[in-house]
Amino acid sequence: QKEVEQNSGPLSVPEGAIASLNCTYSDRGSQSFFWYRQYSGKSPELIMFIYSNGDKEDGRFTAQLNKASQYVSLLIRDSQPSDSATYLCAVNLDNTDKLIFGTGTRLQVFP
Amino acid sequence: EPEVTQTPSHQVTQMGQEVILRCVPISNHLYFYWYRQILGQKVEFLVSFYNNEISEKSEIFDDQFSVERPDGSNFTLKIRSTKLEDSAMYFCASSDSSSTGELFFGEGSRLTVL
Repeated sequence: QKEVEQNSGPLSVPEGAIASLNCTYSDRGSQSFFWYRQYSGKSPELIMFIYSNGDKEDGRFTAQLNKASQYVSLLIRDSQPSDSATYLCAVNLDNTDKLIFGTGTRLQVFP
Repeated sequence: EPEVTQTPSHQVTQMGQEVILRCVPISNHLYFYWYRQILGQKVEFLVSFYNNEISEKSEIFDDQFSVERPDGSNFTLKIRSTKLEDSAMYFCASSDSSSTGELFFGEGSRLTVL
């Protein structure tokens, strides 16, 4: 069973802080890694994707991938109340076009 | 900005009835998907579709489910005989590439089976 694991939270951070969201995956064949944001009652929205080990930065967001440890994370700098949502980690295995999602981590940013 | 559109936004049906959920993917995308999310649970892959045929399907996507692209724009999910456990949010998604997984999701169709 190929799994993607996330802490369900909630993760509560004050406005302006760094929020750190973590994800582990079980299948070493995973090739592509994605972070989606999902507001309550809404559809997932792509935030970041990463394919190679290391860091990838896009604005206030940084994705980090460590394939040896089977670990991917998302850092949100200068967190805003509008960042409050559920963050879904998803992986894409080699030779498949489906995404396997984690259960998501609920982030709460308080003013 | 191009978007994936889905109809209906909410459908209530009786157990055993047939339901068709409709999607209009982004126009230049070639890969189409259906995912579902039962309330409070994870987003689950149902099926992927490319070049007018199913490219992959999950264990959830049994004989009660079918997909079709009846014309150049619509992509439909049909559930032949709905069960209570089919109650969920159904998301259509599209992509211009099968390898990157950069999916663009529609707003979803909430199905309630009574």
